Order: sequence, then structure tokens, then C-alpha cells
Amino acid sequence: AQTVTQSQPEMSVQEAETVTLSCTYDTSESNYYLFWYKQPPSRQMILVIRQEAYKQQNATENRFSVNFQKAAKSFSLKISDSQLGDTAMYFCAFIGQGGKLIFGQGTELSVKP
Amino acid sequence: DVKVTQSSRYLVKRTGEKVFLECVQDMDHENMFWYRQDPGLGLRLIYFSYDVKMKEKGDIPEGYSVSREKKERFSLILESASTNQTSMYLCASSPNLHAGPNYGYTFGSGTRLTVV
Repeated sequence: AQTVTQSQPEMSVQEAETVTLSCTYDTSESNYYLFWYKQPPSRQMILVIRQEAYKQQNATENRFSVNFQKAAKSFSLKISDSQLGDTAMYFCAFIGQGGKLIFGQGTELSVKP
Repeated sequence: DVKVTQSSRYLVKRTGEKVFLECVQDMDHENMFWYRQDPGLGLRLIYFSYDVKMKEKGDIPEGYSVSREKKERFSLILESASTNQTSMYLCASSPNLHAGPNYGYTFGSGTRLTVV
């Protein structure tokens, strides 16, 4: 069975600084996708970034980038130039051939002015 | 703008009541999902559906059932609500599974259910 683990329940960062959120996963599949979702206080889940397992190049979306280490089954999210609006719960998620999205426990990020 | 709409943002029910949580999507998606969100546990899949009148159990189906009579609507039913079902419930939808796992999920805004 696939599992996703986020070992940092809470993190904080000063505005304009960089923060990295960790995620590890376990699967026996070779073709899958990994995601980072953001859930602000409004509760709306927002897709931040996605990574295809067969692509070696790390995905980037503006200030958000990932460090995808397939052999180590690690998928961390780096947020550069943190903004107050980045304050949210962040979830790492995995989807394989079964089509079901599996989530980690979440990391609550606070960006401080 | 595509949407997944959950009928209630907050709900308070009494122990033993039958509770219906409704979810409607306007994207003609085949797949619909119900998740439960609890602090420290993330989102856990309760039930999902790949087609009308079709349902499959997720990881924590006990105490819940679902109904999908129309493609756009997926209901979660708590047959006899209990206090340990107090939680946030999130509905999601996605296109056909056979399109490949790269499709995105679209989520509703959640229903915070309190059972007293």
C-alpha cells in the first residue's frame, strides 16, 4: 500500500525568507505523480505544484519548487521569498495507477512579518 | 469557473441522527471522492465513485455510506451519527481514471460537522 509521510506538523518562516517542507512516500509503482496542495484558512484546497515520477527535472512554479529524489522516495517543497499569503496548511499527496489521491498528515506553515 | 459545491459549510447534528452531506460538481467528471480531514491525520479517503450508481470503499468506510444517483451529485451518509464522526469532510472530483493519473482533483470548500 502506498503511504505519504510529512514529519513536520508545524513550521514558521520570516517573510521574504526561504522554507523547505519535507515529504517522503512509499510505493512499489514506477509511474506515479506527486503533488503539493495548499489549504488556507478558507479551506479551499489549491494545487501548488505537481511532479511526474518519470521526469528527472524538478518542477517549479514561480516561487515554489520541489526537490524530487526518486530513489530516496523524497519530495520536498521549497518556498522562496515567503509571503504572508503563504500561511496555510500544506499537504503532500501521491497518485498512482489506482487513481486515488493519498495524502500526508500536513504541515502547518506560518509566515511571520 | 469549474466548481465542486458542498451544500453546508457548518453543520451541527445530534448523536444518532441520520446525516446527509451533499456534493455537486459541474465539470462532468466521472470520479468523485469523499475525504475526512482531522488534525495530525491529513485527509483520509472514505468512499469514492467512478461512475453513476457505482461506489467503492476507501480506507475508513465504517459508519458511512454513499449514494450516486446522478453523475454530478455524490452524497455521503452517516446512518447514525456519533461524536467520533465530528470532523471536516471534503468532497473532490476528477476526470475519467483512464485519462491517466496526471489529472487534477477539484475540491469543495469542506463541511465542518459537529456531532453533539
